[in-house]
Amino acid sequence: GESVGLHLPTLSVQEGDNSIINCAYSNSASDYFIWYKQESGKGPQFIIDIRSNMDKRQGQRVTVLLNKTVKHLSLQIAATQPGDSAVYFCAEITREAAGNKLTFGGGTRVLVKP
Amino acid sequence: KAGVTQTPRYLIKTRGQQVTLSCSPISGHRSVSWYQQTPGQGLQFLFEYFSETQRNKGNFPGRFSGRQFSNSRSEMNVSTLELGDSALYLCASSWTSRGTGELFFGEGSRLTVL
Repeated sequence: GESVGLHLPTLSVQEGDNSIINCAYSNSASDYFIWYKQESGKGPQFIIDIRSNMDKRQGQRVTVLLNKTVKHLSLQIAATQPGDSAVYFCAEITREAAGNKLTFGGGTRVLVKP
Repeated sequence: KAGVTQTPRYLIKTRGQQVTLSCSPISGHRSVSWYQQTPGQGLQFLFEYFSETQRNKGNFPGRFSGRQFSNSRSEMNVSTLELGDSALYLCASSWTSRGTGELFFGEGSRLTVL
């Protein structure tokens, strides 16, 4: 499949282990955050979101943690599976006068080893 | 129901030409936004349309333009193509333009400029 990014940081994980993907966001005024997963040859797919008034949110096998003090976001994937191999992007939404602005992070490639 | 459909999936153009890309959102979605994805710059916001009106615009030159039709379908146009315009162009649709709803992405249009 086509490469999403040639110079992305890569996280290699053993199947069954937990994965932690980190993201530093830029705007302290951002009040909504989203994690996306992008598989080769496909568009990004929504995983989980969190609002700035929360510091933790859990989904199915995924947990997002938000630390507004240091502007850090993380995605934890429990019991990583081969199907979790993809590029993961965090995104922040900032409310501006012209409308809401969605800014993506650079992405992290996750490779799951069998 | 059908997802976001982008056409064409792949195209090759030469410098100086222009290109038009099309996006059909999920039925009922009124917001369509466009993103450029490159290995070097990652995912960058181009513009968003809601009910035929441009709601927000990213930091791209005026050669990049778009429009939305009454049926919510959207097109983006790039004129006077440059080598650096080679990228995957992604379209995403959502129910609202508030930026807090889930974005559904298409699989993208891969543009190569020679």
